Amino acid sequence: EAGVTQSPTHLIKTRGQQATLRCYPISGHTSVYWYQQALGLGLQFLLWYDEGEERNRGNFPPRFSGRQFPNYSSELNVNALELEDSALYLCASSYQQGRYGYTFGSGTRLTVV
Amino acid sequence: EDQVTQSPEALRLQEGESSSLNCSYTVSGLRGLFWYRQDPGKGPEFLFTLYSAGEEKEKERLKATLTKKESFLHITAPKPEDSATYLCAVIFTGGGNKLTFGTGTQLKVEL
Repeated sequence: EAGVTQSPTHLIKTRGQQATLRCYPISGHTSVYWYQQALGLGLQFLLWYDEGEERNRGNFPPRFSGRQFPNYSSELNVNALELEDSALYLCASSYQQGRYGYTFGSGTRLTVV
Repeated sequence: EDQVTQSPEALRLQEGESSSLNCSYTVSGLRGLFWYRQDPGKGPEFLFTLYSAGEEKEKERLKATLTKKESFLHITAPKPEDSATYLCAVIFTGGGNKLTFGTGTQLKVEL
């Protein structure tokens, strides 16, 4: 069974630009969760999508947004990038809203210069 | 405030030296506690889920236990390949279905 796939693996952007990150969940998983892991910090919850709808949002500014497509893949957009947005962005997927656990991808390393 | 605290922040062991990692939580209505292992630059790898106090789960050299206030991850006779950051996370009533993580314990096992 293929795991959770994230693309790109690495992304370098300039301050003020926009970044788009993609997540492809395990087949059959309908929920996608996004987390930010800044250097030396724990995983901070960003967004949760289930069945195409945004279900929950973490304590992040509106320039962090996303969506879930009909095939359950998801996109995270970060507008007006700031230096402190540099982090590892992790995506997880689950079946039945987490009832059977959460599987993480390997992440996208975003560097803002 | 709902919180997950892990200790110690870092732990250095000799190969074969058993120890325990702690995860304490202050949430109302725990629905599940998860342990993950994370290698540098990688995503967290699932280890265990515990749902109720008294529950225990084992996998190779690892054993996870749960009480009403905390969980322990016991590592028996660790090997260098067990070196990683171990993360604890919870889901709880009123928290939606998102995982709330602690900041992790960085484990280093030396020969």
